[in-house]
Amino acid sequence: SNELTQPPSVSVSPGQTASITCSGDKLGDKYACWYQQKPGQAPALVIYQDSKRPSGIPERFSGSKSGNTATLTISGTQAMDEAAYYCQAWDSSTIIFGGGTKLTVL
Amino acid sequence: QVQLVESGGGVVQPGRSLRLSCAASGFTFSSYAMHWVRQAPGKGLEWVALTSYDGSNEYYADSVKGRFTISRDNSKNTLYLQMNSLRAEDMAVYFCAGAQVRIGAFDIWGQGTMVTVSS
Repeated sequence: SNELTQPPSVSVSPGQTASITCSGDKLGDKYACWYQQKPGQAPALVIYQDSKRPSGIPERFSGSKSGNTATLTISGTQAMDEAAYYCQAWDSSTIIFGGGTKLTVL
Repeated sequence: QVQLVESGGGVVQPGRSLRLSCAASGFTFSSYAMHWVRQAPGKGLEWVALTSYDGSNEYYADSVKGRFTISRDNSKNTLYLQMNSLRAEDMAVYFCAGAQVRIGAFDIWGQGTMVTVSS
């Protein structure tokens, strides 16, 4: 079955840029989206269709894709951005999630 | 406001059944494909099942196929998940989530309901 691979953890200093990758076979043929999840909360959509931001999501969140790797970039990272981030894509008529990346803002 | 509220979680013995509900409000429920997503304690997100906007199509993760049934009642703005033959590995927080067709991503989430499978 198709899988999405994310690094388990990423650390960034406040104000710096954080990048979280998501790799998967044939991901280049599909849209990727990204969710932010803070402890005890439901996930929230931050990027859809590779690079689009839902209304209300700060401009510092951006998405891109090159080949079979999608990237979530957070520019000027703030303490409030500390959370788990999950990528997601469709695989035929089912959904696959990446394993999640814990972003730590040091 | 836009809201999804899950209910029906609880403690259940292995092999027994449980039915989750998800009440929608504040948006056009019948225009959304609806999903169940679960998260085991301390683990990542796992997609469980999908029903199309009109309930005519259903899809399931291999891990629950044949045991779980997703359904919806658009007249009641409610999504359901019937879970049979529950196993220890089904223990998780279950989220309902809505996805607009044009977006293809979950833009609405409930707060989740916990299902504990234990003897």
